[in-house]
Amino acid sequence: AQSVTQLGSHVSVSEGALVLLRCNYSSSVPPYLFWYVQYPNQGLQLLLKYTSAATLVKGINGFEAEFKKSETSFHLTKPSAHMSDAAEYFCAVSDTDKLVFGAGTILRVKS
Amino acid sequence: DTEVTQTPKHLVMGMTNKKSLKCEQHMGHRAMYWYKQKAKKPPELMFVYSYEKLSINESVPSRFSPECPNSSLLNLHLHALQPEDSALYLCASSQVRPGPNYGYTFGSGTRLTVV
Repeated sequence: AQSVTQLGSHVSVSEGALVLLRCNYSSSVPPYLFWYVQYPNQGLQLLLKYTSAATLVKGINGFEAEFKKSETSFHLTKPSAHMSDAAEYFCAVSDTDKLVFGAGTILRVKS
Repeated sequence: DTEVTQTPKHLVMGMTNKKSLKCEQHMGHRAMYWYKQKAKKPPELMFVYSYEKLSINESVPSRFSPECPNSSLLNLHLHALQPEDSALYLCASSQVRPGPNYGYTFGSGTRLTVV
């Protein structure tokens, strides 16, 4: 079974600082990987996805992620954090016929 | 239409009630999913429908009964729930097989409280 591990349940950055949220995957085949954001009391919004095309994937709201097979990683980055980025972020992998989520990382943005 | 619509957004029900959650999509997706999300936890898969047939049931108690009446609709029937079933219930849809536009689209969820 495929799985993802998110390193760090909480990440705190200052407004304007680099955002880095870590995700490592475990897969025996080329994976389909996703990053979702969830704001309080809301559903999941897709930020970006890797589907075996370009290894550097650009998403919405200035986020991007790089697929690194050698490191089995798919870390999410944003050059400059905004207060509105404060939310919970989930990395997920498509496993055969379902989506499997990591534990999530809560991002706090300090003013 | 690139949305998954869930109704109601909020539901409070007693332990003896019967209620239903509804989910609708018009993206032509032939796979639909129910996930349950408890506070501070990731979503957990409950059911998967593929081509309107139940393909995965993750050992969910029988008080939850899914139904897929057609390719656009997914229901979750609730009966005799327990307070610990209170959670955010998320519906999602996707293509059945990976392709150029492969992805999972989620609804905004139904916040269920069992009293």
